[in-house]
Order: sequence, then C-alpha cells, then structure tokens
Amino acid sequence: GENVEQHPSTLSVQEGDSAVIKCTYSDSASNYFPWYKQELGKGPQLIIDIRSNVGEKKDQRIAVTLNKTAKHFSLHITETQPEDSAVYFCAAAGGYQKVTFGTGTKLQVIP
Amino acid sequence: DAGVIQSPRHEVTEMGQEVTLRCKPISGHNSLFWYRQTMMRGLELLIYFNNNVPIDDSGMPEDRFSAKMPNASFSTLKIQPSEPRDSAVYFCASSYSGRETQYFGPGTRLLVL
Repeated sequence: GENVEQHPSTLSVQEGDSAVIKCTYSDSASNYFPWYKQELGKGPQLIIDIRSNVGEKKDQRIAVTLNKTAKHFSLHITETQPEDSAVYFCAAAGGYQKVTFGTGTKLQVIP
Repeated sequence: DAGVIQSPRHEVTEMGQEVTLRCKPISGHNSLFWYRQTMMRGLELLIYFNNNVPIDDSGMPEDRFSAKMPNASFSTLKIQPSEPRDSAVYFCASSYSGRETQYFGPGTRLLVL
C-alpha cells in the first residue's frame, strides 16, 4: 500500500518568514495530494490540494509543488502569521486506494 | 450543510464499560472514515466504508472495536470493553469517494479511566 513520509515533525519560524513542509510517497499510481491544517481542538481541514497533472498550485500565501518523478511534494507558506500555527498533514491518494496521511508537522509561528 | 456531525463531543467512562461514538456524514458523500488520534501514534485510520459497506478495517486495533454503517447518514464506532489505552480523540470523516477530499468532524474526546 501507499506510504507517506512527512518532514519535519516540528517547525518554528519567525512571523513573516516562510515555512516549508516536505512529503514523499511510495505509490506511483497516486494522483491526488491534499494538505490539511489542524488547529487545536479541531478536526483537520483541507487547505489546498494538487493533482498529478500540474506541478504547482497557489492560493494566496500557500503554495504546493509536486515532483512526480521523485515522488515528493511540498507545502510552502509565505509571510507566516501567528494564526498559521497548527499541525499540518500531507496526504496521497490514487488508483483504488484510500487517502493515506503523513505523520504531521507542528508549525509554530513566533510573533 | 452542517458538515460532519459527531456525538458525543466528550466522553469519560470507566474501564470495562461500553462506549459508542456516533457520526453523521455530509449528505451525498458515499465514503466514511473513522480515525483515532493520539500524541504517540498520530492520526490512524481505523476503518473505511464505501456505500455503507466496510472496505478496509485493517486499522481496527482488536476485536473490542466494531463499526457499523446501517445507512448512508449514520455510523457508529463501538468499543466494548473499553480500556485506558483507548483514550484518544476519535474523528469521523466523509468524502464523495475514498480518493477525494475528506471532510472531518470535530472529533470525540474519549477518556477511559
């Protein structure tokens, strides 16, 4: 089955700096890669996703990149703000498989 | 739409008692997932239903755990008997298919004493 690895497990950045979270996947059939944000006391919520027919997608301060050849994808947050502090999960899905989640990255934005 | 609804939001019980967690998925979604989240093990998929049929229950820890989905708008996760190590946050999520965006509920915080 699919295996998704996520790094780093924790990340601290100064407010205004950029944050990058990286994930790798094992199943070359995977073609859908969502990212979730989980705030304290809440369930994970989708913030952005990318499909395998594109290499990059942006939504305001958030961008995702995908390298299918290397089987890795990344989340980039620019101009970080304190409200970006949360746990972020990457995930991969495709073929007939369910969505497989990474282990999560706890992002702390220091004011 | 109200989103995925879970009940109860908090549950405190004593070891050995039966616990039943409930979930109402988003209307129109045909896939439903139960997850368990702990600090030590992260987010674990317990079981996955598609069109009310269990597709993958390989994450169910042991026979004490069971899940049902009698219809498209309701699912339960039951733990009997409960143990302290079952203490965790249990999330229910739903999607249009098992391979698309999952929408999570607010979770049930379970504490087994």
